[in-house]
Amino acid sequence: GAGVSQSPRYKVAKRGQDVALRCDPISGHVSLFWYQQALGQGPEFLTYFQNEAQLDKSGLPSDRFFAERPEGSVSTLKIQRTQQEDSAVYLCASSLSPGVRTEAFFGQGTRLTVV
Amino acid sequence: DAKTTQPPSMDCAEGRAANLPCNHSTISGNEYVYWYRQIHSQGPQYIIHGLKNNETNEMASLIITEDRKSSTLILPHATLRDTAVYYCIAGYAGNNRKLIWGLGTSLAVNP
Repeated sequence: GAGVSQSPRYKVAKRGQDVALRCDPISGHVSLFWYQQALGQGPEFLTYFQNEAQLDKSGLPSDRFFAERPEGSVSTLKIQRTQQEDSAVYLCASSLSPGVRTEAFFGQGTRLTVV
Repeated sequence: DAKTTQPPSMDCAEGRAANLPCNHSTISGNEYVYWYRQIHSQGPQYIIHGLKNNETNEMASLIITEDRKSSTLILPHATLRDTAVYYCIAGYAGNNRKLIWGLGTSLAVNP
């Protein structure tokens, strides 16, 4: 597609449930990022992939959060045993290359509500 | 990465220039200034970035002071569709993952 696609757009999970959020980056983009955005706040970095390699996961808030990008394109962010504080918009972004063009293209996000 | 400070909100009349200020007094010599915007319920959209020279593209102009401690994003002819939260971020080139986003400026363009 023309842009970064995320699914689902909205997800309601019961506390304790596991969820998986999908990101389809722009074709050919090497870099992929996940951000978490709480209501009224700016995005906060979660993790970064360069192709299939997860080079930085320093922003993941706990070991309940796990991300993968096995073939260097589609990525999945998984949250285990969801808690209410996990409620946020999860944004995925991709960029062509870390050193060539520096702007990131964002998807519309997945709004996760944990009840 | 350097922190930035922006006014929480601004208003602008449609058709007029919108000038959005940003302070980044602790920016280091090789950190860029990036601007993104986020329209309600959408993901952020890249606008422009610069190091020390003024930059212009089809969306906006970026004016960076000589001491690099502040910058201004200029939307030359604001439209209603420019209503959004505008984020000014300082960070290293190619290091999108470490960009620290603040609260941004909520710009309201009024008819």
